[in-house]
Amino acid sequence: AQSVTQPDIHITVSEGASLELRCNYSYGATPYLFWYVQSPGQGLQLLLKYFSGDTLVQGIKGFEAEFKRSQSSFNLRKPSVHWSDAAEYFCAVVEDSSASKIIFGSGTRLSIRP
Amino acid sequence: SAVISQKPSRDICQRGTSLTIQCQVDSQVTMMFWYRQQPGQSLTLIATANQGSEATYESGFVIDKFPISRPNLTFSTLTVSNMSPEDSSIYLCSVDPEGSYEQYFGPGTRLTVT
Repeated sequence: AQSVTQPDIHITVSEGASLELRCNYSYGATPYLFWYVQSPGQGLQLLLKYFSGDTLVQGIKGFEAEFKRSQSSFNLRKPSVHWSDAAEYFCAVVEDSSASKIIFGSGTRLSIRP
Repeated sequence: SAVISQKPSRDICQRGTSLTIQCQVDSQVTMMFWYRQQPGQSLTLIATANQGSEATYESGFVIDKFPISRPNLTFSTLTVSNMSPEDSSIYLCSVDPEGSYEQYFGPGTRLTVT
């Protein structure tokens, strides 16, 4: 079965610093991968997705992610974080393409240090 | 894309009672999903609700506990029955409007069972 792992439960970075959130997946073929963000009291918002093609994908809010098949990773990056980026971030993978089912990682909580 | 609303946004209920959560979408969609997010946890899929057919429940979730209705292409309800404190969670609905695996989420319903 497909799975996705986020090894970091909580990360704190200073405002203006760069950010990288880790995501590892387990899947035999080319996975369909996503990053979602959940701000306090809000639903989930899609940041970006990877289905195929260019392994570096750009998303909203200045985020990008790189798909690395050799490392089974899909890490999320941002060159300079803002205080408003403080949120919970979830990596996700399509588990069953016939049913549009996706499964979520355990999440990484991002705190921003002023 | 799709805009999703949920009612209620939050509720506090007594154990043994039931709560029905509504999910309204601003466009017609075939596939609708219900998730549970327990405190400090990731999202877990409860069931997939397609209009005109019975909902498909994930392992660990049963229809008697979480009955779902899907009367049309823009609306669905999830009932949490005979509630216990362990049911305290955020319940989210989502849709995949284009069948592209890209899901859009409602703001969630925060349920507390006392």
